[in-house]
Amino acid sequence: GAGVSQSPSNKVTEKGKDVELRCDPISGHTALYWYRQSLGQGLEFLIYFQGNSAPDKSGLPSDRFSAERTGGSVSTLTIQRTQQEDSAVYLCASSLVGAGSYNSPLHFGNGTRLTVT
Amino acid sequence: GENVEQHPSTLSVQEGDSAVIKCTYSDSASNYFPWYKQELGKRPQLIIDIRSNVGEKKDQRIAVTLNKTAKHFSLHITETQPEDSAVYFCAAGEGGSYIPTFGRGTSLIVHP
Repeated sequence: GAGVSQSPSNKVTEKGKDVELRCDPISGHTALYWYRQSLGQGLEFLIYFQGNSAPDKSGLPSDRFSAERTGGSVSTLTIQRTQQEDSAVYLCASSLVGAGSYNSPLHFGNGTRLTVT
Repeated sequence: GENVEQHPSTLSVQEGDSAVIKCTYSDSASNYFPWYKQELGKRPQLIIDIRSNVGEKKDQRIAVTLNKTAKHFSLHITETQPEDSAVYFCAAGEGGSYIPTFGRGTSLIVHP
């Protein structure tokens, strides 16, 4: 079946502009995650959505970052007033996690490569 | 919160040799430990995972071991092949409200 879909695959923007990154998770997956991967670095957690619960925003690096998930499906990550340090690959993942569930591997999208000039 | 340390950051081996990547974690509540492989320019993909109620799991040439007392787990790849070259990430987390914390990754290079 279809995997996690992210768009755009590449985005070049000027410093100070706002950007929106989109994630379409696997159908039926209740959990959705955003991670950031800087060049040569690991996966930095940003935000987590689970069903209708309030999102866990503990990983967002500043108030310029926000995300929403409409109808429990598609998610949009918004970065306002972009800075050069925001340049990275933004990865979205979804999973079938539920309360007390162990086997909930994350399925990642191909990511959006953001370059702020 | 959870903290995951991963070593080495780079590992270079000859084709046919074994490779071992080690991770430690800090939160004793963590009970699920997946490993992901990320080939150059591609998405991370799950290759193997282990739960806290087992000490070892194998899948063909790869295996993972877990020592809950010492809070460390390892990935073992035997008979390495050039196509094993990739960045490998370990992760730890708690089933339930599950947000895995990832290690910084190990770049494995297998020389033909």
